[in-house]
Amino acid sequence: QVQLVESGGGVVQPGGSLRLSCVASGFLFETHGMHWVRQAPGKGLEWVAYLRHDGDDKFYADSVKGRFTISRDNSKNTLSLQMNSLRVEDTAVYYCARPTQGFLDYWGQGVLVTVSS
Amino acid sequence: EIVLTQSPATLSLSPGERATLSCRASQSIGTYLGWYQQKPGQPPRLLISETSKRATGIPARFSGSGSGTDFTLTISSLEPEDFAVYYCQQLSNWPAIAFGQGTRLEIK
Repeated sequence: QVQLVESGGGVVQPGGSLRLSCVASGFLFETHGMHWVRQAPGKGLEWVAYLRHDGDDKFYADSVKGRFTISRDNSKNTLSLQMNSLRVEDTAVYYCARPTQGFLDYWGQGVLVTVSS
Repeated sequence: EIVLTQSPATLSLSPGERATLSCRASQSIGTYLGWYQQKPGQPPRLLISETSKRATGIPARFSGSGSGTDFTLTISSLEPEDFAVYYCQQLSNWPAIAFGQGTRLEIK
């Protein structure tokens, strides 16, 4: 069955960096683009970034552009999100998610990132 | 930028009742709308894609309808496990997907 498992979350000070990973299994990872979506505590869902299946095209929300970098290693079935210059408002649960025809049919359990001094 | 507005923010109903949730787009999005259910401590779960297509394993009591700017998620007869937060999502700026702000369905 399809599984997405995120890791790498934690507590970091404002201005710091963190790298999230998402390991995929149960499907042909190299044929799917992948998203990161986040959810601040008690808030709604916010799209963060998307990476095409081959890693060539990357897209970011304006709120993270220039600070976050999405990447993937298809040989390791792994999606990553490098987060630099973190702000308090980046505090959220971060989900990796697989789209099928645009809609997110599989999600990881999420990883909590807390940005606090 | 197309904005999705969900209403009501909170819906209070009893098990067995019919739930009608609304999602309105600021511009026409055709039928490129989906619905998700999220329970506390869990990731969202895809219920409906392309306005009306139920995802795998989703019970028939969930249905979606609409087109253009006005969309509806209907739960025909509420089960206890249906009380959750529901989000709509549109694809018009793919791959920059966007969600509505959510409707909380609570037990009356």
